Amino acid sequence: KQEVTQIPAALSVPEGENLVLNCSFTDSAIYNLQWFRQDPGKGLTSLLLIQSSQREQTSGRLNASLDKSSGRSTLYIAASQPGDSATYLCAGRGGGGTSYGKLTFGQGTILTVHP
Amino acid sequence: NAGVTQTPKFRVLKTGQSMTLLCAQDMNHEYMYWYRQDPGMGLRLIHYSVGEGTTAKGEVPDGYNVSRLKKQNFLLGLESAAPSQTSVYFCASSYSPQLPLHFGNGTRLTVT
Repeated sequence: KQEVTQIPAALSVPEGENLVLNCSFTDSAIYNLQWFRQDPGKGLTSLLLIQSSQREQTSGRLNASLDKSSGRSTLYIAASQPGDSATYLCAGRGGGGTSYGKLTFGQGTILTVHP
Repeated sequence: NAGVTQTPKFRVLKTGQSMTLLCAQDMNHEYMYWYRQDPGMGLRLIHYSVGEGTTAKGEVPDGYNVSRLKKQNFLLGLESAAPSQTSVYFCASSYSPQLPLHFGNGTRLTVT
């Protein structure tokens, strides 16, 4: 069974700081890995998707990396802003004997960026 | 561009009542999913579909049924609601496994 873990569970940083969110998965046979953002009371918004053949993806101030051999992915946020405050979730598709149609989610990291 | 639309947004049920949650997507996506999100448990997959007319069980399928009669719609049914089904339910869809997953805004269900 695929298991996805996110560390830390919560993070509070001052505005302007660069930060890293971590995601680990137990089975490296994932098809791809996706990072999401969730605002309170809302659905999830896709941020970045990394295919198993890729090492990283970038979008604006966000950079996500994937290391299948170590079972890890990181989300790097540069020059954080109060508007970045949200819960960030990672999800691996496939692996652990599951079909590539299924995603396994981590519990999320609650990020607070204070002015 | 509507994306993924869930109805209703909120619902309160009494134990034993039934209801259907509707998910509609206008992006011609093949894959559709129902998740529930609970504090401390994260997002757990209930059922999913890889195309019109297909359904498959996820991680926590007991007490739920689904149907995908039309490609754009994925229905989640609760035949006899229980307090343990109090949760926020999310529908999601994607065109293929290689492409990002799109989520609806959720349905908050309370069973008393």
